[in-house]
Amino acid sequence: EAGVVQSPRYKIIEKKQPVAFWCNPISGHNTLYWYRQNLGQGPELLIRYENEEAVDDSQLPKDRFSAERLKGVDSTLKIQPAELGDSAVYLCASSFGDFSGNTIYFGEGSWLTVV
Amino acid sequence: DAKTTQPTSMDCAEGRAANLPCNHSTISGNEYVYWYRQIHSQGPQYIIHGLKNNETNEMASLIITEDRKSSTLILPHATLRDTAVYYCIVRVGDNAGNMLTFGGGTRLMVKP
Repeated sequence: EAGVVQSPRYKIIEKKQPVAFWCNPISGHNTLYWYRQNLGQGPELLIRYENEEAVDDSQLPKDRFSAERLKGVDSTLKIQPAELGDSAVYLCASSFGDFSGNTIYFGEGSWLTVV
Repeated sequence: DAKTTQPTSMDCAEGRAANLPCNHSTISGNEYVYWYRQIHSQGPQYIIHGLKNNETNEMASLIITEDRKSSTLILPHATLRDTAVYYCIVRVGDNAGNMLTFGGGTRLMVKP
């Protein structure tokens, strides 16, 4: 069974340009997460979806970041415009349901470098 | 989520058991203990989790103390490919926030 799939794997953009990351969760997983990981630190949650609904977006910088999960499956995370400080790894994860005994699985991440 | 404390780094000889400790003295009764690891340039990889009882799978064993205030992840025969950052996370079991809150983790170096 395929795991969480993310693309692109690597992206280099100039500051002020837009960028988008795509995530396909594990089949059947209705909960989807976007995390950001800065160099040398642990991942930090940006947003959590239950099906199509964003149930926790308190850590998402809403002035430049947006996310959507229109049909409750795939999700897109967008940054516009990108800033130098946005350079990080953007991780997508998914789980089945919201019970904390259900494991959350991560994708390989999308590495963003803003120059 | 309850806060965890892990050593910043540890070394282990190849072929020996790696025992990674984690303190979570403020853990609540409905919080699970999860372990993930992250190898350089990869996403976090799930290892194991438990609530009260000790757990074992093909990757590792998880030993939780009776008072649940600490736990130990055991890699029985460490290999060079086990070199990674290991995260111990306690996860709340209600609607307060079904997510993982990562700390700094333990950087395990397996040496030949």
